[in-house]
Amino acid sequence: QVQLQESGPGLVKASGTLSLTCTVSGGSISTSNWWSWVRQSPGKGLEWIGEVYQSGSTYYNPSLESRVSISVDTSDDQFSLKIDSVTAADTAVYYCARATIQRYFDLWGRGTLVTVS
Amino acid sequence: DIQMTQSPSTLSASLGDRVTITCRASQSISSWLAWYQRKPGKAPNLLIYKSSTLQSGVPSRFSGSGSGTEFTLTISSLQPDDFATYYCQQYKTFFWTFGQGTKVEIK
Repeated sequence: QVQLQESGPGLVKASGTLSLTCTVSGGSISTSNWWSWVRQSPGKGLEWIGEVYQSGSTYYNPSLESRVSISVDTSDDQFSLKIDSVTAADTAVYYCARATIQRYFDLWGRGTLVTVS
Repeated sequence: DIQMTQSPSTLSASLGDRVTITCRASQSISSWLAWYQRKPGKAPNLLIYKSSTLQSGVPSRFSGSGSGTEFTLTISSLQPDDFATYYCQQYKTFFWTFGQGTKVEIK
């Protein structure tokens, strides 16, 4: 059974870089899926951040594109998120998720809270 | 980008009630819509994709309908495990967007 698990610091200083990793267990990241990051800020809805394919191809939410980078490590079945120049507005629960080719999300991690102070 | 609007934001219901949640898209998305259930501290769960296709393992009391700009998620008989927040998501047009969520509470 494939599972996703987010990991990384729960507290990041303002103007710093937020870094998270998602580990795929029970399966391979080298499939015909896209691997995404989604977040939910306090009092707001879900926001798609971006996605990466096993080849390293990426797409990002235009509102975050200038500060976001997503990468993949197929040897370790992990993908990672970096957000630069964070502010309090980046405080959120961050989820990693597996998307089908059509781009709906059929598997999610439990999420990890990141607070920017 | 395509805006997704859900209503209501909060819904109070009793066990056994029939519950309907509406999701509207700011432009036509054909049937490219998914529904998710989210509970605190748990991974969100895909319920329905392509507007009305039930994901494997999801109870049959959940159903979805609609096309174009208006969609509904229906729970035919509310069970204790169904108290949660529900989100719609469009995947017709890049970039993928979600509704703001509907919280189903115990009445």
